[in-house]
Amino acid sequence: DADVTQTPRNRITKTGKRIMLECSQTKGHDRMYWYRQDPGLGLRLIYYSFDVKDINKGEISDGYSVSRQAQAKFSLSLESAIPNQTALYFCATSDNSGRATGELFFGEGSRLTVL
Amino acid sequence: QKEVEQNSGPLSVPEGAIASLNCTYSDRGSQSFFWYRQYSGKSPELIMFIYSNGDKEDGRFTAQLNKASQYVSLLIRDSQPSDSATYLCAVPDYKLSFGAGTTVTVRA
Repeated sequence: DADVTQTPRNRITKTGKRIMLECSQTKGHDRMYWYRQDPGLGLRLIYYSFDVKDINKGEISDGYSVSRQAQAKFSLSLESAIPNQTALYFCATSDNSGRATGELFFGEGSRLTVL
Repeated sequence: QKEVEQNSGPLSVPEGAIASLNCTYSDRGSQSFFWYRQYSGKSPELIMFIYSNGDKEDGRFTAQLNKASQYVSLLIRDSQPSDSATYLCAVPDYKLSFGAGTTVTVRA
């Protein structure tokens, strides 16, 4: 089983619908992240959480919200999906040691299409 | 200015050749640098990291860091078709900032 699991892996939805992407991890890491990936733009950070009581906006948080339900679970919500939120979404984790600040462990990705 | 810039490619090299990927960064205080590889349809995975000026070698991969010029590069020697992927440069601060990636195709 994967250490970082994302559900669903693929989702097609319509404009205006509410969507939740879920992420769970068995690595025991405190830090969790949500990124989106678009062709030519690389990975951009949406939200991150350094522990259960800590939630921070990333560079592109507008239109998104998150919930850290437990150390192992971090969910991303699109309250009212729009077509330009069509992208590949990755959840990632890291521990908080110095070197590992740059080492992220990614889930397999959730491909979202908003029609 | 974007924090991390990569030569966008795509880069096509023949099998056995050296693939050279470059990355520049804007924060002069950055101390560490990471290279991720992402196969098509898959998630990124860490392949190299470097902290000190100079070269760091790991198998066929060499990372080169020049802090004075604010660039970091990745060389892939004896390129193989299995090296065909997108390579992402990343620089950490409170988060990990990624470049847009360079797609490498190794021609058999």
